[in-house]
Amino acid sequence: DAGVIQSPRHEVTEMGQEVTLRCKPISGHDYLFWYRQTMMRGLELLIYFNNNVPIDDSGMPEDRFSAKMPNASFSTLKIQPSEPRDSAVYFCASSWISGSLLGYTFGSGTRLTVV
Amino acid sequence: GESVGLHLPTLSVQEGDNSIINCAYSNSASDYFIWYKQESGKGPQFIIDIRSNMDKRQGQRVTVLLNKTVKHLSLQIAATQPGDSAVYFCAENGNNFNKFYFGSGTKLNVKP
Repeated sequence: DAGVIQSPRHEVTEMGQEVTLRCKPISGHDYLFWYRQTMMRGLELLIYFNNNVPIDDSGMPEDRFSAKMPNASFSTLKIQPSEPRDSAVYFCASSWISGSLLGYTFGSGTRLTVV
Repeated sequence: GESVGLHLPTLSVQEGDNSIINCAYSNSASDYFIWYKQESGKGPQFIIDIRSNMDKRQGQRVTVLLNKTVKHLSLQIAATQPGDSAVYFCAENGNNFNKFYFGSGTKLNVKP
């Protein structure tokens, strides 16, 4: 199993540009989570999906952020327009069985730098 | 949101010694806790979990202790090795089993 796969690993973009982060969860996992990690705020849950349906997006900072999960094997997190304060490491995680975190696996993250 | 905090931001230990990393949580309704290890450039990696109906759980070289009375978690690492150097996070599930709140992390430095 290749684990949770995120791309790109690094992204540098100019302020105002659109950024799309991608995630492929572990096959068979029915929950997918997007987190953001910064030194100041630590790990923050942005949004999570269950069976491709967004369940809780209360952590999404503002309307510039959007996430989709068109199928069980793919999700995107989009920032449009991007701002320097969006610079962070964005993690995707997936889990199996409702609430069982033994299967809660993180990807390696995408380091986003907005200049 | 929930408040999960760590008492020690940085912990330095000698190789071979035991390490204890502490964590305070705020929501008495939390019933599931996890410790994660994060190495530089990688995502958090599951170490061990514990449910609120337990006080102690042991894994390979690691033990998690839960004190619900004072809302405190600890992670004990036996015979700490250089490979244990990382940032360790505790997480609680608050009122939602799938919505976890992470502490700010403790950096563990293992000196050879």
